[in-house]
Amino acid sequence: AQKITQTQPGMFVQEKEAVTLDCTYDTSDPSYGLFWYKQPSSGEMIFLIYQGSYDQQNATEGRYSLNFQKARKSANLVISASQLGDSAMYFCAMREPRSNYQLIWGAGTKLIIKP
Amino acid sequence: NAGVTQTPKFQVLKTGQSMTLQCAQDMNHNSMYWYRQDPGMGLRLIYYSASEGTTDKGEVPNGYNVSRLNKREFSLRLESAAPSQTSVYFCASLRGQGAGKTQYFGPGTRLLVL
Repeated sequence: AQKITQTQPGMFVQEKEAVTLDCTYDTSDPSYGLFWYKQPSSGEMIFLIYQGSYDQQNATEGRYSLNFQKARKSANLVISASQLGDSAMYFCAMREPRSNYQLIWGAGTKLIIKP
Repeated sequence: NAGVTQTPKFQVLKTGQSMTLQCAQDMNHNSMYWYRQDPGMGLRLIYYSASEGTTDKGEVPNGYNVSRLNKREFSLRLESAAPSQTSVYFCASLRGQGAGKTQYFGPGTRLLVL
């Protein structure tokens, strides 16, 4: 069964608008971590933001925030004031306990920012 | 501080050939990982190494071997390449403290097996 689901294969967003990228996850462990990575066309994987399952507040890193809804098992990435440089693939990943920090990855969402 | 480096950047192999993908990190990290990325899919873990001298299988280890000879280097070997191993290969190391440890990636190696 899919443990990480990203339901949006692709998205077009107007520059300067906010964008939400969806991610749902499946785990029975109470302790886990959720990650978002960006992969621009150049190919490298860039860490954006982390949310721990016990964190009381939603994580934020600059223009990135994570809308963490534990009961719904969702961890959506919100990018405020999108920029042309935000065009990239975005991956959601989960780490379960006792996994030696292995990550389970979603299939990704391709985001294109229109000028 | 070069971070995580991978060599080569690109490689073309013929079916049955062997090769080793090299990965090195200069951040004194204990844990290192090898992933493959195929079109339309997320990354899949091939092997990982929690510390120097230890290695463990990930989700898709068949057709690969790894070596963690020292803390810096973690190599991935294809003994007899197959077209199904055409992919982009990423190496990563684990950085940070406590529950917030994150994986830090190298630039990737694009491999084409004909």
